[in-house]
Amino acid sequence: RKEVEQDPGPFNVPEGATVAFNCTYSNSASQSFFWYRQDCRKEPKLLMSVYSSGNEDGRFTAQLNRASQYISLLIRDSKLSDSATYLCVVNADYGQNFVFGPGTRLSVLP
Amino acid sequence: EADIYQTPRYLVIGTGKKITLECSQTMGHDKMYWYQQDPGMELHLIHYSYGVNSTEKGDLSSESTVSRIRTEHFPLTLESARPSHTSQYLCASSSWSGTAVNEKLFFGSGTQLSVL
Repeated sequence: RKEVEQDPGPFNVPEGATVAFNCTYSNSASQSFFWYRQDCRKEPKLLMSVYSSGNEDGRFTAQLNRASQYISLLIRDSKLSDSATYLCVVNADYGQNFVFGPGTRLSVLP
Repeated sequence: EADIYQTPRYLVIGTGKKITLECSQTMGHDKMYWYQQDPGMELHLIHYSYGVNSTEKGDLSSESTVSRIRTEHFPLTLESARPSHTSQYLCASSSWSGTAVNEKLFFGSGTQLSVL
């Protein structure tokens, strides 16, 4: 079993749709959680950190459930420019390495 | 924007050549990483470093080697390139200011290596 698992995708959605990505992690010692976005043949870029209280950045909302070891990302009113692969990333502590999920690819269609 | 730079951006080279992929960061980060990624596939950690004179092998076995003589510089070397080394190589560094909660990972733009 992988340490970080994500919805297999791909997700093909029309513009304006709301789309939700799910991620689970197996290491209960994980302390920090992130969503990264990666465009084709580009480097991953930090989209947002994920906090226990949940956090929102414009059309993006991230939630963390430590008890269930589950992370989610909600994109509202999706745009064509949201098309990318979304990577769930967790980190246990300094000295440990960031663990990446396999990613979920999103295609927003006109 | 993160200040981490990789050169070259693209490299096409013949089998058997020695190559060095450069990575530099100006953020003063202690920890640096090299990842390998094939198109449409997952990222694989091949090397990392906790700081000067520290180098560790990652989760994926790699024939490459790394060095960390200066905090800001973390080059990756392939002594004899082969077609199986064709891939994208991504360098990264991470911030840490006391807790893992504040540690974030930043990537360079990557080097796309093609070995003929």
